[in-house]
Amino acid sequence: DIQMTQSPSSLSASVGDRVTIACRASQSINNYLNWYQQKPGKAPKLLIYAASNLQSGVPSRFSGSGSGTDFTLTINNLQPEDFATYYCQLSYSTPWTFGQGTKVEIK
Amino acid sequence: EVQLVESGGGLVQPGGSLRVSCVASGFTVSSNYMSWVRQAPGKGLEWVSVIYSGGSTYYADSVKGRFTISRDTSKNTLYLHMNSLRAEDTAVYYCARSSLGGVFDYWGQGTLVTVSS
Repeated sequence: DIQMTQSPSSLSASVGDRVTIACRASQSINNYLNWYQQKPGKAPKLLIYAASNLQSGVPSRFSGSGSGTDFTLTINNLQPEDFATYYCQLSYSTPWTFGQGTKVEIK
Repeated sequence: EVQLVESGGGLVQPGGSLRVSCVASGFTVSSNYMSWVRQAPGKGLEWVSVIYSGGSTYYADSVKGRFTISRDTSKNTLYLHMNSLRAEDTAVYYCARSSLGGVFDYWGQGTLVTVSS
């Protein structure tokens, strides 16, 4: 099975900051990488699919990049509603593994 | 409007069985890949199972042989039948639609399954 390693596990940031979250696959997954946001007590929400495609309705301050084994989620101009946990997830082949998550907290 | 509503969670003893359901509206379950994803209390997300539009099914190793995913096209409903439940199966179970391979574009609100004596 392909393993997903996400980093960091948590970070503190201020409103207006630029935040970067990394995700690494144990083998190449082309661009079959997706990003989700989850707030406490809520279901996850799709942000980015196929590494760099913004899901409809998601603000443009969110962006994704990468291919192969290394991927990045970037949040520009962090807003109060962006404080949440973010997960990467591979969709190359089953099992569709998630990363461990990155909690973005208020500094 | 696409909606997914799970039900059927609850408290079950170790070794017991439970079936959780997910009623869909706004789209046809049998025309999409449909998955179950779970989240243990305070933990991350774990993909559990998928049923493809063609009917093929796949499972995480942690549940293979114990859980069965199915659907009822007449009720537009997805199911997860869980047998031989263990304490480590305690989690919120979400159903999710995949319109693009393994990309989960819509999620239900989740149903909590607690395995405890």
